[in-house]
Amino acid sequence: NAGVTQTPKFRVLKTGQSMTLLCAQDMNHEYMYWYRQDPGMGLRLIHYSVGEGTTAKGEVPDGYNVSRLKKQNFLLGLESAAPSQTSVYFCASRGGGGTEAFFGQGTRLTVV
Amino acid sequence: AQKITQTQPGMFVQEKEAVTLDCTYDTSDQSYGLFWYKQPSSGEMIFLIYQGSYDEQNATEGRYSLNFQKARKSANLVISASQLGDSAMYFCAMREGKAAGNKLTFGGGTRVLVKP
Repeated sequence: NAGVTQTPKFRVLKTGQSMTLLCAQDMNHEYMYWYRQDPGMGLRLIHYSVGEGTTAKGEVPDGYNVSRLKKQNFLLGLESAAPSQTSVYFCASRGGGGTEAFFGQGTRLTVV
Repeated sequence: AQKITQTQPGMFVQEKEAVTLDCTYDTSDQSYGLFWYKQPSSGEMIFLIYQGSYDEQNATEGRYSLNFQKARKSANLVISASQLGDSAMYFCAMREGKAAGNKLTFGGGTRVLVKP
């Protein structure tokens, strides 16, 4: 049982490069979320989706874009990476109501 | 404004003692839920316990219990009989309802270190 899978697990980018992080879930969940976690801090919500074809901004959306073309996938894009985007990125998904959110294993991104 | 506030950045607790982690939240939504997650040094997020805004009883899961005080907007986590393996970061999170966009937001976390 895969749950939530994030690709890649690690990545080093040069300033100005672009990349896409993929989050895939196999639980038929409606809701999906992207967070970033900086050292010693909590998870800050970047963007989220309440269903296929929908996206919404979270607390720190600047510099990121997202798409949810298929229900099972939620993509996070960085068009022009900056050192301030060095972080660990977590994806999560959950079903409706009081169900827990399931997390991916995280992607450690370093922008040099 | 912060939606979820955890005022204790770090705590020490003696093995086998109980510890209470504070969490206060802010929402105007009537339907919401509160979660606690544990993040050990390995980095994964582990679900501990959930409390719905309409639940009348405080949630319990094994050694974890949630002290839900709706009027005070607090949802404190109590860990009983602490074990060395409880050393980790603990995050409080809130799921808001449709009116607030169905967001799931997290507090800044509390680091717990259990001493033998």
